[in-house]
Amino acid sequence: SQTIHQWPATLVQPVGSPLSLECTVEGTSNPNLYWYRQAAGRGLQLLFYSVGIGQISSEVPQNLSASRPQDRQFILSSKKLLLSDSGFYLCAWGGVTDEQYFGPGTRLTVT
Amino acid sequence: AQSVSQHNHHVILSEAASLELGCNYSYGGTVNLFWYVQYPGQHLQLLLKYFSGDPLVKGIKGFEAEFIKSKFSFNLRKPSVQWSDTAEYFCAVIDTGGFKTIFGAGTRLFVKA
Repeated sequence: SQTIHQWPATLVQPVGSPLSLECTVEGTSNPNLYWYRQAAGRGLQLLFYSVGIGQISSEVPQNLSASRPQDRQFILSSKKLLLSDSGFYLCAWGGVTDEQYFGPGTRLTVT
Repeated sequence: AQSVSQHNHHVILSEAASLELGCNYSYGGTVNLFWYVQYPGQHLQLLLKYFSGDPLVKGIKGFEAEFIKSKFSFNLRKPSVQWSDTAEYFCAVIDTGGFKTIFGAGTRLFVKA
């Protein structure tokens, strides 16, 4: 069965520091991969999606970037964090009828 | 642009009460529709989905949803809720052939025992 991992689970970082969040998927090949940010009362905001290695689409101009160095690895990065980057970040992969399977998420607090 | 509207942000029910959570979307083309649920402390997970066929779809734990194309709606229902249904529920839509799923803002359901 398919499994999706995210780490770290929680992260506290100072403003201006770099960020790297990792997501890996097991049990499927060539998945569509997604990064979302979840804010209370505002649902999920799609940040990036990828349909293959090295292929990244950005949905929202922001302080973040994404990369897909391997088929089942998706990384969310920032060179310099802002306070507004705080939030709950979810990685997901897409099923054959477009359903999403989510990881456990990373709670990021920028101080 | 596509959007999804969930009518209630917070719902409080007693056990055995009936549940209906409203969801409307704006998009003129063919769509796939979903309800996701996030139980306290757990991953966001798929509750049910519609992509073709019978507009009344059944999901896990006794939930069902009806796709009414003329009303652009996909309301979630359960005849009798349980305390364990306390969770946040998200409606979502994607146009068929697209990559971008649009989520509603979510509805927090609290079921009193």
